[in-house]
Amino acid sequence: KQEVTQIPAALSVPEGENLVLNCSFTDSAIYNLQWFRQDPGKGLTSLLLIQSSQREQTSGRLNASLDKSSGRSTLYIAASQPGDSATYLCAVRGAQKLVFGQGTRLTINP
Amino acid sequence: EADIYQTPRYLVIGTGKKITLECSQTMGHDKMYWYQQDPGMELHLIHYSYGVNSTEKGDLSSESTVSRIRTEHFPLTLESARPSHTSQYLCASSLAYTQYFGPGTRLTVL
Repeated sequence: KQEVTQIPAALSVPEGENLVLNCSFTDSAIYNLQWFRQDPGKGLTSLLLIQSSQREQTSGRLNASLDKSSGRSTLYIAASQPGDSATYLCAVRGAQKLVFGQGTRLTINP
Repeated sequence: EADIYQTPRYLVIGTGKKITLECSQTMGHDKMYWYQQDPGMELHLIHYSYGVNSTEKGDLSSESTVSRIRTEHFPLTLESARPSHTSQYLCASSLAYTQYFGPGTRLTVL
């Protein structure tokens, strides 16, 4: 059974810093991995999707990497801003479904 | 921007009541999903559909039921609400790999 773990559970950093969020999964037989952002009390917004054959994807200040063989992904956020404060979730896609991690709650302090 | 809607956004209801959570999308996506999320926890898939008249149970056992009579509509029904049903319910849809989420319904059963 696929299990997804995100470390740390919470992170607080000053504005302007670069930071890395981590995601690990137990079964490397995945189709893709997706990073989402969730604001309090709201739904999820897709940030980046990496296919299993890809190593990384970039969108603006965000860069996501995937190492399928070791079961790891990272989300790199450059030059963090207070508006980046949210919970970040990673999810891996198996044969049919997405399996989610518990998320990392990120706070960017002005 | 994804067009997926959920109503109501918030619902407080007494034990034993029948409730229906609505989810609609205007993107013509075949695949739709219902997730349950407790505060600070991961999302758990409770139902999904790959098209009209197709519904399947997800990983998390749920006393709810769903129907898919129209492509754009995927309502979730609880015949008799209980306090253990208190949670956030998130609806999503997808055409290929990326899932688009609605804003969620926060349900409280007293």
